[in-house]
Amino acid sequence: DTAVSQTPKYLVTQMGNDKSIKCEQNLGHDTMYWYKQDSKKFLKIMFSYNNKELIINETVPNRFSPKSPDKAHLNLHINSLELGDSAVYFCASSLGQGGGYTFGSGTRLTVV
Amino acid sequence: GENVEQHPSTLSVQEGDSAVIKCTYSDSASNYFPWYKQELGKGPQLIIDIRSNVGEKKDQRIAVTLNKTAKHFSLHITETQPEDSAVYFCAAMNTGFQKLVFGTGTRLLVSP
Repeated sequence: DTAVSQTPKYLVTQMGNDKSIKCEQNLGHDTMYWYKQDSKKFLKIMFSYNNKELIINETVPNRFSPKSPDKAHLNLHINSLELGDSAVYFCASSLGQGGGYTFGSGTRLTVV
Repeated sequence: GENVEQHPSTLSVQEGDSAVIKCTYSDSASNYFPWYKQELGKGPQLIIDIRSNVGEKKDQRIAVTLNKTAKHFSLHITETQPEDSAVYFCAAMNTGFQKLVFGTGTRLLVSP
């Protein structure tokens, strides 16, 4: 009964490919997020959605496109992958504004 | 925007000792301050949080203090145990913007 589940857990791909990461939460939360954690462990927000509506887009290259088909799902599609995209991507969710975030276990993306 | 600084970057203690991690934030309008623990290969997990109308909060061996005037907050872990070893992140949020900004993390190592 994982609260926030991401798939896949590991993703190794070549430069130039397109890939997607999926996220689902079963907590009944209304807000979902994507965070990127770099090799130095720094966590930086990329996007957030509230009830399927995009509310934060942190100057992420437009090769990254989030999609929220419903408030329990938030997927991340990445076009034309670059070496610098290698990182761990975390999905998270929260209830309303200012609530604690629940994170998924992450997707380690390696671009070769 | 909000900027959160965290110190120290690494902290080594002996089992049973106390550990203190300190953070400062820049946005005086921030009003929510959670702390996360990240174990190897896992997502960050919320361990304690505090809101700006409270100066201190305690939960068993962990406590958080907040000084709004100085714009800093701290995590205190007493009677540390080897299983406390992890990376700890502080974060700050202005709940009007729904964006959690993380500190740079502290790697805590508790030696038996």
